[in-house]
Amino acid sequence: AQKVTQAQTEISVVEKEDVTLDCVYETRDTTYYLFWYKQPPSGELVFLIRRNSFDEQNEISGRYSWNFQKSTSSFNFTITASQVVDSAVYFCALKKAGRRALTFGSGTRLQVQP
Amino acid sequence: DGGITQSPKYLFRKEGQNVTLSCEQNLNHDAMYWYRQDPGQGLRLIYYSQIVNDFQKGDIAEGYSVSREKKESFPLTVTSAQKNPTAFYLCASSIGTPDGITDTQYFGPGTRLTVL
Repeated sequence: AQKVTQAQTEISVVEKEDVTLDCVYETRDTTYYLFWYKQPPSGELVFLIRRNSFDEQNEISGRYSWNFQKSTSSFNFTITASQVVDSAVYFCALKKAGRRALTFGSGTRLQVQP
Repeated sequence: DGGITQSPKYLFRKEGQNVTLSCEQNLNHDAMYWYRQDPGQGLRLIYYSQIVNDFQKGDIAEGYSVSREKKESFPLTVTSAQKNPTAFYLCASSIGTPDGITDTQYFGPGTRLTVL
């Protein structure tokens, strides 16, 4: 069985603070992909990143960075210098070989106050 | 612009009625998906289709039906057999790679269904 846990239900920060969203996953497979999606109030899920299980390099994209650690089965997402437009629900998801569906975590609601 | 459209944005249904949610994509993607989202939860897969005229049940297919007559379209019917249909429904599509794992799914704006 596979599972994604986002233990932080809701996080509130003030603009310009850094914030890290945690994602812990469980899978017995050696080949899998991890994803982060952003869901703004409009409802649409916006794809942010995809990372395969063989690539543990951290990735940075502007103010966003991701830390993938297989040893702790974690794929954490950090927003540097948060902005009000970052307010959204963020989902971590897992996909394994042979399964078309994504397994989603329950999401973390991030509120960035001005 | 390429993308995924869903209509309507809001839908109200009386108990006992069937209702169909529309999903259209012009990304030339082979694979399409329907997910359901309940408050405070992640998304769960209802149905998916890898090619035209083919579709497979997901984790929560009971009470739902789909068709895939055209590559661009993947409508979802919520039948009266679905006991708790009030939810947010998201359609997604992906290129549809043979291994199924290197795909990235892109989502539409969603339809919020409320049963009165």
